[in-house]
Amino acid sequence: KAGVTQTPRYLIKTRGQQVTLSCSPISGHRSVSWYQQTPGQGLQFLFEYFSETQRNKGNFPGRFSGRQFSNSRSEMNVSTLELGDSALYLCASRRQTGGTGELFFGEGSRLTVL
Amino acid sequence: AQTVTQSQPEMSVQEAETVTLSCTYDTSESDYYLFWYKQPPSRQMILVIRQEAYKQQNATENRFSVNFQKAAKSFSLKISDSQLGDAAMYFCAYLSSNTGKLIFGQGTTLQVKP
Repeated sequence: KAGVTQTPRYLIKTRGQQVTLSCSPISGHRSVSWYQQTPGQGLQFLFEYFSETQRNKGNFPGRFSGRQFSNSRSEMNVSTLELGDSALYLCASRRQTGGTGELFFGEGSRLTVL
Repeated sequence: AQTVTQSQPEMSVQEAETVTLSCTYDTSESDYYLFWYKQPPSRQMILVIRQEAYKQQNATENRFSVNFQKAAKSFSLKISDSQLGDAAMYFCAYLSSNTGKLIFGQGTTLQVKP
């Protein structure tokens, strides 16, 4: 059974550009969550999608957005990149949403903003 | 709001010995899940063990076990017979039943000495 797949694994952008990251969940999983990991702030929740609807959103500016497709694959977009957006972006999937079930993580997308 | 605290930034253990990683959390919810995740240098977050708050029995997975004290809001991880492959960053995480988002502690870096 394939795990959570994130692409690209590594990318370098410059300030002001925008970036799109992709996440394919485990087959049968309908919930996809995104997390940002930085040395200073640790792991922070960005948002969760379930059945193509954003279920919850963390405390990030509107430059961070996402969506989910009918096949449960998800994308997140960061516009007008800032140096502080450099981070490891982790995607996690699970079968359902709400307060049950463990999350399975992908290997992450390492974003560097120059 | 829920918070998770890991008070030990770094721990070390001799191979084959036992080590305990501490975690405390704060919540007003009665129904939630707790997890320990392991993040080795490869960066992929791996689920180590899970605990449902409504279960009084402590979870066990092979060499990994937890000491869940609900009243004290404590959730420590014990690793028995430590192996070199256990070296990683360990994160304690709380899954909110209301928001469905995972709240992480700051992490504990575990070093295993041969």
